[in-house]
Amino acid sequence: GQQVMQIPQYQHVQEGEDFTTYCNSSTTLSNIQWYKQRPGGHPVFLIQLVKSGEVKKQKRLTFQFGEAKKNSSLHITATQTTDVGTYFCAINTGNQFYFGTGTSLTVIP
Amino acid sequence: EAGVTQSPTHLIKTRGQQATLRCSPISGHTSVYWYQQALGLGLQFLLWYDEGEERNRGNFPPRFSGRQFPNYSSELNVNALELEDSALYLCASSLGQHNEKLFFGSGTQLSVL
Repeated sequence: GQQVMQIPQYQHVQEGEDFTTYCNSSTTLSNIQWYKQRPGGHPVFLIQLVKSGEVKKQKRLTFQFGEAKKNSSLHITATQTTDVGTYFCAINTGNQFYFGTGTSLTVIP
Repeated sequence: EAGVTQSPTHLIKTRGQQATLRCSPISGHTSVYWYQQALGLGLQFLLWYDEGEERNRGNFPPRFSGRQFPNYSSELNVNALELEDSALYLCASSLGQHNEKLFFGSGTQLSVL
């Protein structure tokens, strides 16, 4: 089945530092989505990337889709305590949504 | 507009019992997905229903089953509960079209004692 590797598994940063999580696939992807799950909450859709090399920004969050459409990254500039949570990438294959293992972000005030 | 609703919020069962979890999708959404999220772990795909039919199931034993009703709400049934079934069960809905995003409910926390 589809495998989606996500690294790192955990990341602790000081407030104000940057943060990046990476999602890698062994196969070419048609699209990739990113979700955020706050502690005690449920995953919430952030964004979808479809085009090769696509870059999208949401305030301090920058999402990239690799040129070969096999990897993606989520970068947060100047983290804030509100960024705490687990970030998941997800792939819709048409038969199901495969979720990466997630990166748990802790922001130290 | 109401989001995805799940009930109950919490469910406590003992080993060997049966559990039924319910999900109501967003109005207009025909697809319902079920995921299991064990403590501190990722989302494991359980089942996908669309237009009343089971479209796909994940790598779980047959005692995990479900159905989708004509109003697109869904039930997840877990028979012969085992301790390791303790987890957060998340339901998500979508319009059922390609490249659609998922909207998740708040989940049912199932504890098996």
